[in-house]
Amino acid sequence: EDQVTQSPEALRLQEGESSSLNCSYTVSGLRGLFWYRQDPGKGPEFLFTLYSAGEEKEKERLKATLTKKESFLHITAPKPEDSATYLCAVQAMDNFNKFYFGSGTKLNVKP
Amino acid sequence: EAGVTQFPSHSVIEKGQTVTLRCDPISGHDNLYWYRRVMGKEIKFLLHFVKESKQDESGMPNNRFLAERTGGTYSTLKVQPAELEDSGVYFCASGGRPGETQYFGPGTRLLVL
Repeated sequence: EDQVTQSPEALRLQEGESSSLNCSYTVSGLRGLFWYRQDPGKGPEFLFTLYSAGEEKEKERLKATLTKKESFLHITAPKPEDSATYLCAVQAMDNFNKFYFGSGTKLNVKP
Repeated sequence: EAGVTQFPSHSVIEKGQTVTLRCDPISGHDNLYWYRRVMGKEIKFLLHFVKESKQDESGMPNNRFLAERTGGTYSTLKVQPAELEDSGVYFCASGGRPGETQYFGPGTRLLVL
């Protein structure tokens, strides 16, 4: 069964304290892995798509990486405005229209 | 460019009542998806439209849920009759081509009492 697990469930950082969020997956042939950011009361906001192991994408203080079993979202020198829930979703080769989401990591960056 | 919009933003109904949720996708997006997150769980796929055709409704929980997309533009998701376990946040997403990035709306928060 296709499955996505995110860790930690919650993460508290001081402003400027870098860290990484993990998304591990089991899927019958990965087609793509997506990272989203979700603010309270809003819908998921697209951040990155990764398609193959070794691929990296960057946006401001965020960098996403992908291996054959997991993805990391690295946050460098975070700011309070980076506080949000970060969601990982995967799509499988045999049905790439259906996204499987993890439960998310709730990040709180304190000033 | 306007994003995906959903209406209403919140709905509180009693068990046994009917509720209809609406989703307007990004203009030009043929692919429209419905997802749901119930309390404490992850977001889960419900169904996928390509234009007005249902491509995959494998995630629909039961026959109390009916989704339509007449004319291939906006979509509605009707729950009739609503049960307590239907409470949650219903998200709509749209995409330009199959398998590409899905862009999500703000969600409809449904509470069934």
